[in-house]
Amino acid sequence: DSGVTQTPKHLITATGQRVTLRCSPRSGDLSVYWYQQSLDQGLQFLIQYYNGEERAKGNILERFSAQQFPDLHSELNLSSLELGDSALYFCASSAAGGAISPLHFGNGTRLTVT
Amino acid sequence: QKEVEQDPGPLSVPEGAIVSLNCTYSNSAFQYFMWYRQYSRKGPELLMYTYSSGNKEDGRFTAQVDKSSKYISLFIRDSQPSDSATYLCAMSGLANYGGSQGNLIFGKGTKLSVKP
Repeated sequence: DSGVTQTPKHLITATGQRVTLRCSPRSGDLSVYWYQQSLDQGLQFLIQYYNGEERAKGNILERFSAQQFPDLHSELNLSSLELGDSALYFCASSAAGGAISPLHFGNGTRLTVT
Repeated sequence: QKEVEQDPGPLSVPEGAIVSLNCTYSNSAFQYFMWYRQYSRKGPELLMYTYSSGNKEDGRFTAQVDKSSKYISLFIRDSQPSDSATYLCAMSGLANYGGSQGNLIFGKGTKLSVKP
C-alpha cells in the first residue's frame, strides 16, 4: 500500500458532464501530482501542486482543473467530458518538489465516459 | 520521434529466466532514470532509481543507464511468476524541469509474463 488514497475507484458518466476526482497524499508529503493513463498514450503528466501552490503543468486540457487544499488533499475537476477522456487517472505524492523524492502512486480512478 | 520509446511487448519468459527490459530516449537533458512496476488494476510502484550513467543493483534487479547511447535497461534475474506485470521506464531532467519530478516522462510500458 503506497499510502496515497484516491476516490472514487470507478466513475461512469455521460458526455458533457463534470466530475471531481479526489486524492489524499501520503502523510507528510507536500507534493501532489496528477497523471492520466490511456492505452494509446501511456502515462501523461497533467499537473503538480506543492503545498497548495501550482508547481508544474503538463498536458492538461483547459477543461480540466485541479487544486490542493490546506490539508494537502487534492481534487482534479474534469468538465465538458468527451468520450476521449475515458482513462485511468492517477494521483501521486512525494515528500518534496525536487527530483530526488520518488513518486508514490495511488491505485487510480477509472473514468468511463459514455 | 517520441521522447521515450519502450517496446510494449508482451514479453513471455519461463520462470528462472533473465529478463531484459529497455528504453531509449531522445532528450539529452534527462538525468534521473526510474523503473516502475505496475500490476493490473494498481498504480505504478517505484522499483529502481538512478542518477546519470552507471549501474545500480537491488536484489534480483539491476538498472543500467548509458547516457552516451540514450539507452536504459532493467535486468531481472531468476524471474518469478510474481514479477508478471507491466514495467514502465521514466525519466526527468533537472535543467528542463527545474528539479520537479512531476514532469516525469514515462515510456508506454512493457508487459511481462513469467510462466511457472
